[in-house]
Order: sequence, then C-alpha cells, then structure tokens
Amino acid sequence: IAGITQAPTSQILAAGRRMTLRCTQDMRHNAMYWYRQDLGLGLRLIHYSNTAGTTGKGEVPDGYSVSRANTDDFPLTLASAVPSQTSVYFCASSPGTGGYNEQFFGPGTRLTVL
Amino acid sequence: GQNIDQPTEMTATEGAIVQINCTYQTSGFNGLFWYQQHAGEAPTFLSYNVLDGLEEKGRFSSFLSRSKGYSYLLLKELQMKDSASYLCAVRDRDYKLSFGAGTTVTVRA
Repeated sequence: IAGITQAPTSQILAAGRRMTLRCTQDMRHNAMYWYRQDLGLGLRLIHYSNTAGTTGKGEVPDGYSVSRANTDDFPLTLASAVPSQTSVYFCASSPGTGGYNEQFFGPGTRLTVL
Repeated sequence: GQNIDQPTEMTATEGAIVQINCTYQTSGFNGLFWYQQHAGEAPTFLSYNVLDGLEEKGRFSSFLSRSKGYSYLLLKELQMKDSASYLCAVRDRDYKLSFGAGTTVTVRA
C-alpha cells in the first residue's frame, strides 16, 4: 500500500518556468490538500479539494492552481514560478472533512526557484 | 482566520515528561490536532480533541479547553526518538486546518 506519493522528490527551477507537482493517493480518500512549509511559518494551506470535481482556496493560493479530475490525483501547478515559491510542498488527504478525520501526508517535494 | 501560538523550542532529558502548550484564536472551532514531524519527513498524526478534557494514547496525551482556547500535548517517558517537531493544528468551521509554527523538542541523554 503506497498511501500518498508525490513527484518529484526535489526540483530546482528557473524563475518564470511552469511546474506541476504531482500527488496521488490510493486510499480512496475524498479530501485532498496542498500545503507549503517554510522555516518559522509552519504549514500553510494553498488549495484544497473536499471531493473530486471541487476545489477551494486556502490561506496562500496566489500563484498556484489545482485540479481534481478524479479521486486519486491532485496536481498543483505553478504557472510562472518566482523565488518566493521556494519551499517544501506537502500533499495530504483525509477520508472526509469533519469528525475524527486525520490528514495523511505525502513525503513532500522540495522546490527551489532561482 | 486562526492565530495559533506554541513555543519554538523545548529541551528535556530522556525519561522525563514534557508539556507543549498551544493557544489559539479561531473564528469557528471544529477540532484540534497534534502532529509529529521528524526532520526531513512528513507530519504524522498523534491526537485529536474536539471536546474538553484529556485524551490519552500510550505515552502521549492531549488536553483541550475550548473556553480558554488552549491545548497541550504531554509526552511521558521521553525517548531519544521523540526528538522532533510537534505541530498544533486547529480545524475551522469550513474543515480547513491551520497549523502553528511547531515546537522543536530535543531529548538529551
């Protein structure tokens, strides 16, 4: 059982380039999330999806877009990368949104924008 | 929105007890989570509180007071492998999680 996988593991990207971070889960979870983690700031929610076909904006959505065409995949796209998007990106999923629904995190993608 | 505060760092001795406090202000409370994150790894779930009181899970316990906007995570019988960052997270009425910056716990022999 893989759980949640993310690709790539790490990436160095030139500013202005387009980049898609991939996230796939095999747990048939309804909800999926993208966070960025920066030193001293903790995890911040970028976008989320409570169920396939729907998405919503989190705390720091600018410069990022997501899609949720099916239950398993939740890609995050940086249309034109900027150095301030250098961060560690975590994808997470949960069976549902309320109650005792913990979020399970993927291994992360370390992104450097130069 | 959420405002979540927790200490930046704590140090304790192997075998001891450490209490990590978390205070929060929220526009709509819908549960509080604690996660553990080892350096370079993903966060993993530790505990969940939605009602006032203490939840015990082996060496780890978590307490919640909704009226005070306060929670703590208690780590007992500390082991070297408990050296990690501990993240307090509050879920709002829209089911989104907001995380504190994390508390780095260092366990010394």
